[in-house]
Amino acid sequence: DQQVKQNSPSLSVQEGRISILNCDYTNSMFDYFLWYKKYPAEGPTFLISISSIKDKNEDGRFTVFLNKSAKHLSLHIVPSQPGDSAVYFCAASLVNSGNTPLVFGKGTRLSVIA
Amino acid sequence: DADVTQTPRNRITKTGKRIMLECSQTKGHDRMYWYRQDPGLGLRLIYYSFDVKDINKGEISDGYSVSRQAQAKFSLSLESAIPNQTALYFCATSEDRGTSYNEQFFGPGTRLTVL
Repeated sequence: DQQVKQNSPSLSVQEGRISILNCDYTNSMFDYFLWYKKYPAEGPTFLISISSIKDKNEDGRFTVFLNKSAKHLSLHIVPSQPGDSAVYFCAASLVNSGNTPLVFGKGTRLSVIA
Repeated sequence: DADVTQTPRNRITKTGKRIMLECSQTKGHDRMYWYRQDPGLGLRLIYYSFDVKDINKGEISDGYSVSRQAQAKFSLSLESAIPNQTALYFCATSEDRGTSYNEQFFGPGTRLTVL
């Protein structure tokens, strides 16, 4: 059973507009969430994270929102740029239970159209 | 130089052959991981190691084995490769404590094709 779900395999957004990538999880014990970005022929790279004690974390154009009651998080990219075109993975972990390995979603391919 | 390196970067082999994928890191991290990526399936954990004497199975360990030769080296073996092991393989590392809360650092990947 998939514990971290990214239900949109792909998303297309116009340059300059907002990109919203969504992620749902089923394990209420998860207490730390991360977003990774992956370009073709490269390994995933860390983008932004959020602890379960927060509901928002912002880093430049990237903001992650966490709704624990809904077991849902989202990544907002504003404004979107062509260089943001990549696959985005949501991941979750149990930090307070000994830093278990990350559980990844299947990814969402974002295409930012100039 | 890259902090996490993988060799080879690309490999084509035949069914039944033994294959070893190697990972080295200079980040000084204790924890290392092997993942595979398949189209539409995301990143799935094969094996992980929290220190040199620790090896743990992940979600999809069948058909694979690993060896943690040193803190900096973690290799993945396919004892008898089969076509459905064709995938992109990633090694990753992380600290076991500190402010980088479980952030994993990935290598560039190895593209393996089993004919």
